[in-house]
Amino acid sequence: QVQLQESGPGLVKSSETLSLTCTVSGASISSYYWSWLRQPPGKGLEWIGYVYYSRRANCNPCVNYNPSLENRVTMSVDPSKNQFSLRLNSVTAADTAVYYCATDVRSGSLNWFDPWGQGTLVTVSS
Amino acid sequence: DIQMTQSPSSLSASVGDRVTITCRASQSITTHLYWYQHKPGKAPKLLIYAASAVQSGVPSRFSGSGSETDFTLTISGLQPEDFATYFCQQSYSSPHTFGQGTKLEIK
Repeated sequence: QVQLQESGPGLVKSSETLSLTCTVSGASISSYYWSWLRQPPGKGLEWIGYVYYSRRANCNPCVNYNPSLENRVTMSVDPSKNQFSLRLNSVTAADTAVYYCATDVRSGSLNWFDPWGQGTLVTVSS
Repeated sequence: DIQMTQSPSSLSASVGDRVTITCRASQSITTHLYWYQHKPGKAPKLLIYAASAVQSGVPSRFSGSGSETDFTLTISGLQPEDFATYFCQQSYSSPHTFGQGTKLEIK
């Protein structure tokens, strides 16, 4: 079955760039869409965006970001490592959160996340 | 963005109880509604998709219902492993948005 594991620094300084990687096992990175989500302490989940890689796609990778973050987010794919990544620049304390990667499942017009990684806490320090 | 409002935010119940959690959308989302279970330190787990379809491998005591703006997740006959946080998600329009979560605790 598909498994995902987030990795990256747990502490990032304010104004710098947060970088996380999600390693996928059990499926090819070109098989699905992949999303990043986050949950700040005491708050609800926020979808950050998705990335999709396929040699047959017109866009490579194809991405779609939450408008609330799109001016600071970049997602990419490394097919050779079966990984996808998140970069969030100019971070502030408001970006402190548990960050999750997830398989972005599409079925007709339906779209859900399954499975997810366990999540990784990223703290932004001043 | 579509706002998802869950209630209650927390709930105490006993093993064997039947509990219901509700999720209300700020506009119609037809049946583009999903329910997840989340335990501390673990990956969130999909329970229900398309408002009422039970994900493969999920026990039959979990059920979902609703359409348009009002949805419910029901757990019939709570088991010890069901004490967790539950949250809803909509995919009717981008960006996907989530309810704030309902923490189900042992009474």
